[in-house]
Amino acid sequence: QKEVEQNSGPLSVPEGAIASLNCTYSDRGSQSFFWYRQYSGKSPELIMSIYSNGDKEDGRFTAQLNKASQYVSLLIRDSQPSDSATYLCAVVEGQGAQKLVFGQGTRLTINP
Amino acid sequence: DTEVTQTPKHLVMGMTNKKSLKCEQHMGHRAMYWYKQKAKKPPELMFVYSYEKLSINESVPSRFSPECPNSSLLNLHLHALQPEDSALYLCASSPPRGGYTFGSGTRLTVV
Repeated sequence: QKEVEQNSGPLSVPEGAIASLNCTYSDRGSQSFFWYRQYSGKSPELIMSIYSNGDKEDGRFTAQLNKASQYVSLLIRDSQPSDSATYLCAVVEGQGAQKLVFGQGTRLTINP
Repeated sequence: DTEVTQTPKHLVMGMTNKKSLKCEQHMGHRAMYWYKQKAKKPPELMFVYSYEKLSINESVPSRFSPECPNSSLLNLHLHALQPEDSALYLCASSPPRGGYTFGSGTRLTVV
C-alpha cells in the first residue's frame, strides 16, 4: 500500500499569518497531486492541483511540488478564520492508475 | 454543470434493509468513484468505475454492490449492513488527468 503522510496537527496560526502544510508520498511513479479542504461535516473540496515540480499559485494559495524529495506543500497567505478546516493531501498512485490516496489530513485553526 | 449530486443526504437503515445510494454527474467524466469516510479519518477508496466498467474494488465486502448504469450515474446498493458501516459515503468523478470532484455525500447510519 502506497502511503501519503501528513502531520495531523492541530496546527494553530494567527490571523493574517502564513499557514504551511506539508505532505510526503511514497510512490515515485505518482504524477498528480492535490490539496483538498474539508470543513467539519462536509465533503472534501478541491483547492489546488499540481503536476510539475515547482510552485503553483492561485490567489492566497501556493502549492509546491518536489518530486525528487517526494514532497508536496501548501502555503496559505493572509490566513483567515474561514480557512480553519482539515486539509487533505491526495496523490494519484502510479501512472495511468485512478486511485486517489489521501493523507490523514492536517487540522488547521486560524486564531483571530 | 460542475457538480456531483448525491442522494439521499441522510439515510438510516436497519441491518436487514436493502437501500441504494445514488450519484449523478454531467461533467462528461468517464471515471467515477465511491469513497467511505469515518469520523476524523480521510476518505477511503471503495470502488472505481472507468468507462462504466468496474476497474478497482478495494476488497469491499459483498454487502456493498456498486452499479454504473450509464456514464452519468453511479449507484451503491446496500444490503445486510452492520453498525460499523455507518459513515459518510462520498461519490466522486474525475477527468483523465485532473482533480476529483466530490459530491456532498450520504451520511449513513445503520441501526
